[in-house]
Amino acid sequence: QVQLVQSGAGVKKPGASVRVSCKASGYTFTNFGLSWVRQAPGQGLEWMGWISGNTGNTKYAQNFQGRATMTTDTSTSTGYMELRGLTSGDTAVYYCARDQSSWPPEIDYWGQGILVTVSS
Amino acid sequence: SYDLTQPPSVSVSPGQTAIITCSGDKLGDAFVSWFQQKPGRSPFLVIYQDSKRPSGIPERFSGSISGNTATLTISGTQATDEADYYCQAWDSSDSVVFGAGTKVTVL
Repeated sequence: QVQLVQSGAGVKKPGASVRVSCKASGYTFTNFGLSWVRQAPGQGLEWMGWISGNTGNTKYAQNFQGRATMTTDTSTSTGYMELRGLTSGDTAVYYCARDQSSWPPEIDYWGQGILVTVSS
Repeated sequence: SYDLTQPPSVSVSPGQTAIITCSGDKLGDAFVSWFQQKPGRSPFLVIYQDSKRPSGIPERFSGSISGNTATLTISGTQATDEADYYCQAWDSSDSVVFGAGTKVTVL
């Protein structure tokens, strides 16, 4: 069965960076992509960007261009999302989600989510 | 990107029909998906490509689209359907958009 297991994050200080990992299993990683979505406490879902598991092509939401970097390691079927210059407004649960390998997107399975807390 | 508008809340009695709408200026240009999210859990896909149900999703969940409004209908609503529901689409500026979510309460 499709599984996305996330790791990383925790408590970060303002100005720091965070990297979240997303290890995929149960499907051929290079046949799909990954989207990254975050959810601030008590708020809705916010799409951050997408990466193709095949080509490594990326698309970022305007709010995250220049501040987020999404990568993949096809040898381990793992996706990574790094967010720099953290502020308290970045406190959220960060999800990876399986997506199409090429645009347009079609999200289906989601990881369990990782809480990133930004606090001094 | 653009906005997808959902009602903040919908209340329904058990066994009745819940209707959740999602409207957006360019909604007819792209497929719509719907996700269910229960408290403390990850979102879960219930409808994709406007009206298709993933394997394992009960038939009481259905989706449709007319013009710039997509609709998620839950027929014969059960207590277990109580959750937040989000619509999602993408736009021509290569961005994915989510609605703000609708809280479905089964009274």
